[in-house]
Amino acid sequence: GNSVTQMEGPVTLSEEAFLTINCTYTATGYPSLFWYVQYPGEGLQLLLKATKADDKGSNKGFEATYRKETTSFHLEKGSVQVSDSAVYFCALRRGPTGGGNKLTFGTGTQLKVEL
Amino acid sequence: GAVVSQHPSRVICKSGTSVKIECRSLDFQATTMFWYRQFPKKSLMLMATSNEGSKATYEQGVEKDKFLINHASLTLSTLTVTSAHPEDSSFYICSARDGTSGGSSTDTQYFGPGTRLTVL
Repeated sequence: GNSVTQMEGPVTLSEEAFLTINCTYTATGYPSLFWYVQYPGEGLQLLLKATKADDKGSNKGFEATYRKETTSFHLEKGSVQVSDSAVYFCALRRGPTGGGNKLTFGTGTQLKVEL
Repeated sequence: GAVVSQHPSRVICKSGTSVKIECRSLDFQATTMFWYRQFPKKSLMLMATSNEGSKATYEQGVEKDKFLINHASLTLSTLTVTSAHPEDSSFYICSARDGTSGGSSTDTQYFGPGTRLTVL
């Protein structure tokens, strides 16, 4: 079946540090890959996505590249801010538009950014 | 972006009682809503998918008689935890898919902030 593995948190960084949150997946076919972010007290928000191999999703300075050969979708940001403190979820959906829109999530990685 | 609300945000109930959680799409029509359950330090687990006007589709291992889902309108879905027990204590999250526009928006789910259920 489908599964997503994320690095365990919490990840604590100083402001302006480089961020990497690892995500690998197991899936049949060609899934779409997503990163969601959950700020304190709020619902999950879509951060970025990629629907096919070698696609790069980007938003708000965050990037992730769909690597089919390594089945990975690592999240990166060159310079984090305190406002980036949140929980980040990697997710996949089977097929680019199919799969009934069912998302399979990783366990989430909490990021804490300190001054 | 689209907003999904949940009510209540927190609920504490006694064992054996039933609890209803509401999920509303505030500025769009949601033809499909999803209910998830999240355990501490665990991923979100999809419980069921509900389509407006039809019966919900439950994931394997989820008791449909215990977790009653109703999606009576395009903006409201409810999850009722019947005869709740302490093991039902969890964080319940809903999401909604905007069914009024096609294209890339069909693959975006908008999530509610979640409901923390504690069963004593």
